[in-house]
Amino acid sequence: EPEVTQTPSHQVTQMGQEVILRCVPISNHLYFYWYRQILGQKVEFLVSFYNNEISEKSEIFDDQFSVERPDGSNFTLKIRSTKLEDSAMYFCASSDIVGGYTFGSGTRLTVV
Amino acid sequence: DQQVKQNSPSLSVQEGRISILNCDYTNSMFDYFLWYKKYPAEGPTFLISISSIKDKNEDGRFTVFLNKSAKHLSLHIVPSQPGDSAVYFCAAPLNTNAGKSTFGDGTTLTVKP
Repeated sequence: EPEVTQTPSHQVTQMGQEVILRCVPISNHLYFYWYRQILGQKVEFLVSFYNNEISEKSEIFDDQFSVERPDGSNFTLKIRSTKLEDSAMYFCASSDIVGGYTFGSGTRLTVV
Repeated sequence: DQQVKQNSPSLSVQEGRISILNCDYTNSMFDYFLWYKKYPAEGPTFLISISSIKDKNEDGRFTVFLNKSAKHLSLHIVPSQPGDSAVYFCAAPLNTNAGKSTFGDGTTLTVKP
């Protein structure tokens, strides 16, 4: 069964450093997403991406965040200057036009 | 504004019995609902969906019921198995093009052997 792959599974970074979280969505999917879940809290939408541009973003997705699909297969989330409160599980997801999302297994980001 | 609410943070049932997980929504524009299941340290996995043109959708042991007038949906698992123990999220995309989904807070289901 096709799956969404995320790397790394765990990333530890110092506050203020840049991190890039990587995702390989399912190849024939058209929509791509990043969600996050802070420990003990709900799954929160960050951004959706379609046709090589952001289609929607939440208030969490401020200027410190950016997404890119550099080569037609990878979908990356960059956090320019990490803060302690960015520590969370980050989930990438992709979907076709009518299906449910397929989520990756997540990247645990720990900012110290 | 939390448009999708799961008011029960946890539910515990005996193996073999029925599990009923509930979800309420406020936005009458939602026309498609999804349930996801999440194990610890894994991403959510899509379980079952329902379109607003239906009031019931069944897939094996999982059935989702939709009551549009009450803005309420529920997921029934019959019979419940210990492997069903997970966090269950209901979610609603804002359009059928599978755009941004709003997730509920989740309900942790524990199925006891």
